[in-house]
Amino acid sequence: QVQLQESGPGLVKPSQTLSLTCTVSGDSISSGNYFWSWIRQPSGKGLEWIGSIYYSGGTYYNPSLKSRVIMSVDTSRNQFSLKLSSVTAADTAVYFCVRYYQLLNWFDPWGQGTLVTVSS
Amino acid sequence: QSALTQPASVSGSPGQSITISCTGTSSDIGIYNYVSWYQQHPGKAPKLIIYEVSNRPSGVPDRFSASKSGNTASLTVSGLQAEDEATYYCNSYSSSGTFGVFGGGTKLTVL
Repeated sequence: QVQLQESGPGLVKPSQTLSLTCTVSGDSISSGNYFWSWIRQPSGKGLEWIGSIYYSGGTYYNPSLKSRVIMSVDTSRNQFSLKLSSVTAADTAVYFCVRYYQLLNWFDPWGQGTLVTVSS
Repeated sequence: QSALTQPASVSGSPGQSITISCTGTSSDIGIYNYVSWYQQHPGKAPKLIIYEVSNRPSGVPDRFSASKSGNTASLTVSGLQAEDEATYYCNSYSSSGTFGVFGGGTKLTVL
C-alpha cells in the first residue's frame, strides 16, 4: 500500500520560504513509473497544482508559481521536497503531496495534507 | 479562475441520480481522453474515483460512472447514498503542458 506523508513547518513568515518534504512508503520514487507532485488547497477553495518532479530531477511547474518554486528529490531517502519563496498570505493553504501517473493523467494516492499558514 | 468549469453545487435525495458536468476547451477535454475525477470529504484528502474518462479504480462502487462528449466531461452518481456527500473535482490533461488542470469543484449535497 503506497502512502505519502507531508512534513514541515506549519507557520511561515511573509516574504520567507516555505519548505515541505514528502516521504513515500510502499513505492520507490526511483521506479520511474510516476511523477511526484505537490498540490495545494486554500481553505474553502479548489485544488491548485504546484508542480511535479521525476526521479531523475526533471520538473514541471505551474506557470503562475514557477518563479517562486523549486522542487527536488532525494531517492536515497525516498523523499521529494517543495520550496516556495517570497510567500504571502495568499500562499496559506493545505499542501498535499501526491503521486502522478502521467500516461493516464491521474493523481493517486494523496498524502493527508499539511496546513501551512503564512503570518507574522 | 479554474481552467475547467463545474457547477458550484448539486443536490439529490437518497436513491436518486445526479450528474456533475465539467466543461473545458479544445485544448484539454476536447482532445484528450485523460479526464479524472476526485472525491473529497471535508477535512480529508481527495480520492481518485475515475480515470481515463470512465474507468473506475478498484474499490470504487459502480454507482459512480462518467463519460465525455466534446469539451464536456460528466460524472454520474446513481443510487445516491449519504456517504456520497462530498466535493467532486474534475481534472484533464492539457496541451498547455501543465499537469493537473482542475475544475473548481462541485459540492454534492444528499438531501
